[in-house]
Amino acid sequence: DAGVIQSPRHEVTEMGQEVTLRCKPISGHNSLFWYRQTMMRGLELLIYFNNNVPIDDSGMPEDRFSAKMPNASFSTLKIQPSEPRDSAVYFCASSPQGRPQHFGDGTRLSIL
Amino acid sequence: QKEVEQDPGPLSVPEGAIVSLNCTYSNSAFQYFMWYRQYSRKGPELLMYTYSSGNKEDGRFTAQVDKSSKYISLFIRDSQPSDSATYLCAPLTGGAQKLVFGQGTRLTINP
Repeated sequence: DAGVIQSPRHEVTEMGQEVTLRCKPISGHNSLFWYRQTMMRGLELLIYFNNNVPIDDSGMPEDRFSAKMPNASFSTLKIQPSEPRDSAVYFCASSPQGRPQHFGDGTRLSIL
Repeated sequence: QKEVEQDPGPLSVPEGAIVSLNCTYSNSAFQYFMWYRQYSRKGPELLMYTYSSGNKEDGRFTAQVDKSSKYISLFIRDSQPSDSATYLCAPLTGGAQKLVFGQGTRLTINP
């Protein structure tokens, strides 16, 4: 079975540029989660969706961050404009609702 | 105070040793207790989870929850070099979906 697929695996860009991270959840999973992991703050939930609908975005750090889920097999996390403090590993996870989450291998983002 | 506290380590032990990894939490509403394992440059993978207090065993791994003291433990018996990873505890309230992760403990098993 294919797991959660994230792209790109690595992204290096300059401050001020728009960054788009992509996620394909496991087929049949109707919950999708975006996390950010840093050394200082650990793994933090940014936003999650049930059945393509955003349920809780209280973890989104500021208006520069936005997330969409146009269909059951695709989600994006966008940062515009990007800043050096956004550098982190971003994970996407999916699950059947109410069941344990399965994580992708993350996108390692560096903002110069 | 963080909702979940976990000693980040690093913890280094010889192969074959028994390893004890621990978390404390402050929210008494937590009912499910997950342990995730994360290898370097990979995403967390679910190792095991328990519901409420008590023990759960899966091969060389035992998860233990003491709700009275708000203390979560993961024991690894006969530790192997392949167990070297970061271990994250993540409790959850019943009916909720928001996992609250501990900082993670980085574990190294030396051959």
